[in-house]
Amino acid sequence: DADVTQTPRNRITKTGKRIMLECSQTKGHDRMYWYRQDPGLGLQLIYYSFDVKDINKGEISDGYSVSRQAQAKFSLSLESAIPNQTALYFCATSDSDNEQFFGPGTRLTVL
Amino acid sequence: GQNIDQPTEMTATEGAIVQINCTYQTSGFNGLFWYQQHAGEAPTFLSYNVLDGLEEKGRFSSFLSRSKGYSYLLLKELQMKDSASYLCAVRLGDSWGKLQFGAGTQVVVTP
Repeated sequence: DADVTQTPRNRITKTGKRIMLECSQTKGHDRMYWYRQDPGLGLQLIYYSFDVKDINKGEISDGYSVSRQAQAKFSLSLESAIPNQTALYFCATSDSDNEQFFGPGTRLTVL
Repeated sequence: GQNIDQPTEMTATEGAIVQINCTYQTSGFNGLFWYQQHAGEAPTFLSYNVLDGLEEKGRFSSFLSRSKGYSYLLLKELQMKDSASYLCAVRLGDSWGKLQFGAGTQVVVTP
């Protein structure tokens, strides 16, 4: 079984809709991250969480919100989706300062 | 702001060697990571450097010079499966372990 899972894997939605992307991990890591990836721009950090009670904005948090429901779960929400949020979204986890482990990604299309 | 530069694309022949350079100018430095990402898939960890010098891991080696803000990833004995994007990422100098990613270098291996 995969250590970091994301649901859904693909989603097509319309402008103005609320969308939630979910991430679960079985690695027992405290730190969780949400990134988006656009062609030619690399990975950009949206939000990150050190533990259940800690949430921090990344470099591109506008238009997004997150919830850390448990150590193993970190959800990303788009309150009112817009077309320029069309991207590949990755969740990642890490144990202190070691490498980050990425989920398989969610491909989101906003029409 | 943070600036991480790497070439957009490199092409090499199967069995050859390719060197991917990464230069960085960031507010603080706490280590440099290299990730491999096949198209549409999650990034996977390749190597980590925090001190100057060369780290070797099988066919892959990574080098760091902190004074020059420079790293490279060396891929030896190229195989077709090495065709992928290679991401350079700097861990910034705060305690949260945030990574700043470059845009990635697409390596194309030809027969």
